[in-house]
Amino acid sequence: NAGVTQTPKFRILKIGQSMTLQCTQDMNHNYMYWYRQDPGMGLKLIYYSVGAGITDKGEVPNGYNVSRSTTEDFPLRLELAAPSQTSVYFCATGGYGNQPQHFGDGTRLSIL
Amino acid sequence: QKEVEQDPGPLSVPEGAIVSLNCTYSNSAFQYFMWYRQYSRKGPELLMYTYSSGNKEDGRFTAQVDKSSKYISLFIRDSQPSDSATYLCAMSARETSGSRLTFGEGTQLTVNP
Repeated sequence: NAGVTQTPKFRILKIGQSMTLQCTQDMNHNYMYWYRQDPGMGLKLIYYSVGAGITDKGEVPNGYNVSRSTTEDFPLRLELAAPSQTSVYFCATGGYGNQPQHFGDGTRLSIL
Repeated sequence: QKEVEQDPGPLSVPEGAIVSLNCTYSNSAFQYFMWYRQYSRKGPELLMYTYSSGNKEDGRFTAQVDKSSKYISLFIRDSQPSDSATYLCAMSARETSGSRLTFGEGTQLTVNP
């Protein structure tokens, strides 16, 4: 049982490039979330989804886009990468509202 | 002002010590309280999950919630080197669609053999 799988684990991008961070879950959870974690800042919610076809903005959505075409997949898209997007990105899932969230191991992204 | 305040540490203790980790919060709507443990280069993993005020115990770990003071704690008894990690508190309000967790910034703990 893989749980929450994130790919790639590491990536270096140049300013202005774009990329997609992948997140796949096999827990059959409706809720999926994208967070970024910066040193000394905790985790900040970027986007979340309550089910296939439904997404909503979190606390720090600017510069990112998401889609949710299936229950299993919730990719995060970075367009026109900027140095401020250098961070560790975590995908998480949850069964129902207010239930504990389960996290993947993250994607470490550097933008130079 | 941050909604959730957590002392980032670092905190260094000898093996066998009792560790106390704390968070304070300002949003009285928070009803669900969690502690996550995060090892280096790994994702957060859920350690304790509580609802309402009071204590919850699981092995060497005890979570305590005091809603009147807006204060939560995690106690680790007989700490082990394997407990060395960053501990994140998280909380959420009653919401029926999506669970928007608000995290503290984490406390880095080192348990020395």
